[in-house]
Amino acid sequence: DSGVTQTPKHLITATGQRVTLRCSPRSGDLSVYWYQQSLDQGLQFLIQYYNGEERAKGNILERFSAQQFPDLHSELNLSSLELGDSALYFCASSVQGGAEQYFGPGTRLTVT
Amino acid sequence: GQQLNQSPQSMFIQEGEDVSMNCTSSSIFNTWLWYKQEPGEGPVLLIALYKAGELTSNGRLTAQFGITRKDSFLNISASIPSDVGIYFCAGQLVGSGGSNYKLTFGKGTLLTVNP
Repeated sequence: DSGVTQTPKHLITATGQRVTLRCSPRSGDLSVYWYQQSLDQGLQFLIQYYNGEERAKGNILERFSAQQFPDLHSELNLSSLELGDSALYFCASSVQGGAEQYFGPGTRLTVT
Repeated sequence: GQQLNQSPQSMFIQEGEDVSMNCTSSSIFNTWLWYKQEPGEGPVLLIALYKAGELTSNGRLTAQFGITRKDSFLNISASIPSDVGIYFCAGQLVGSGGSNYKLTFGKGTLLTVNP
């Protein structure tokens, strides 16, 4: 158990809908990262937050957004969903901005 | 952008054999990490390497940070059935001002161990 929690574990929704994925980092970790894992693209970095502020952006679509709250949990919002958004979404956390990132169990999103 | 080439893509070995996999990059990294992912789980950190030439062990696992900072390898000795999974390398290059800590991942090596 990495100490990072993610909810929900599975999510099935229809195209055009909006969903919110939630992540709680390990106790004491200030940085949260979101990654998308698909069969064709592998693990891709989406966005990083540090102590409530956005720090870095990867290949995140404009339809996707995230935030980190004062209690350090983070939410990833995916809107206008398309079939191609079906993937595993992982949250990871680290102390400050360290390299050693610890991953949660992921949310499997299926868009039908 | 940065790309990591991880090889081999898959390996099928007998229990007790040693395993070696590697990762190469078109650009340098400050840090190399190795993760293992099992079905339905998130990646689990195995080893982190911080200095060029560094050799680090974690039980039966040994990893090295290449001298050129563009490659890394992972060895698993005396494999056992629970070593089955996908092994990912990841590199981190800290951006200007230390603000970008994203990891760039390889495509993974699928390891199957035959008892």
